Amino acid sequence: EDKVVQSPLSLVVHEGDTVTLNCSYEVTNFRSLLWYKQEKKAPTFLFMLTSSGIEKKSGRLSSILDKKELFSILNITATQTGDSAIYLCAVAIYSGGSNYKLTFGKGTLLTVNP
Amino acid sequence: AAGVIQSPRHLIKEKRETATLKCYPISRHDTVYWYQQGPGQDPQFLISFYEKMQSDKGSIPDRFSAQQFSDYHSELNMSSLELGDSALYFCASSKGGGRGNEQYFGPGTRLTVT
Repeated sequence: EDKVVQSPLSLVVHEGDTVTLNCSYEVTNFRSLLWYKQEKKAPTFLFMLTSSGIEKKSGRLSSILDKKELFSILNITATQTGDSAIYLCAVAIYSGGSNYKLTFGKGTLLTVNP
Repeated sequence: AAGVIQSPRHLIKEKRETATLKCYPISRHDTVYWYQQGPGQDPQFLISFYEKMQSDKGSIPDRFSAQQFSDYHSELNMSSLELGDSALYFCASSKGGGRGNEQYFGPGTRLTVT
């Protein structure tokens, strides 16, 4: 059974702190790993990672994938209260033909206090 | 550019009624995915369509059916609604049968079954 595990499940930090969110996976037919930010609405796309060791960066957020150890991390530096959200990790799994589907982890609830 | 559009945004139905949810993908996206997210749960893949054909099926109950139309919009039809169907239903779209994998989510339809 395909599995995506995120840790920690919940994290409370102060503004300005740096956080690292973890995502490990055990899946067949891995295609890519995606990070989403979910506030009180739809998941918002952050990154898609397909190659090991190549860091993707967007402002204060960065992410990297290790396909040998089957995990990814999402780093947020100089956190702000607006970073408070659930961060979802999803793995795109190839299911034949041109078909893929996302399997999500349970998410990490990040709370950034002023 | 407009994102994924879903309607209605909120829907309240009684048990055993029928509901139809609509999804309009991002322009030029040809693949649509449906996810169900229960309270405090991660999104669960239901079904996907590529070029108007069903491309993959997940944990979608037999009471639900879906299709993608010639303009690429999709509808999720839910019959004999049960209390447990209360959830957020997300539609996501991508380009190229999922080869791009970057699935962009709509705002969701919150279905409440009473």
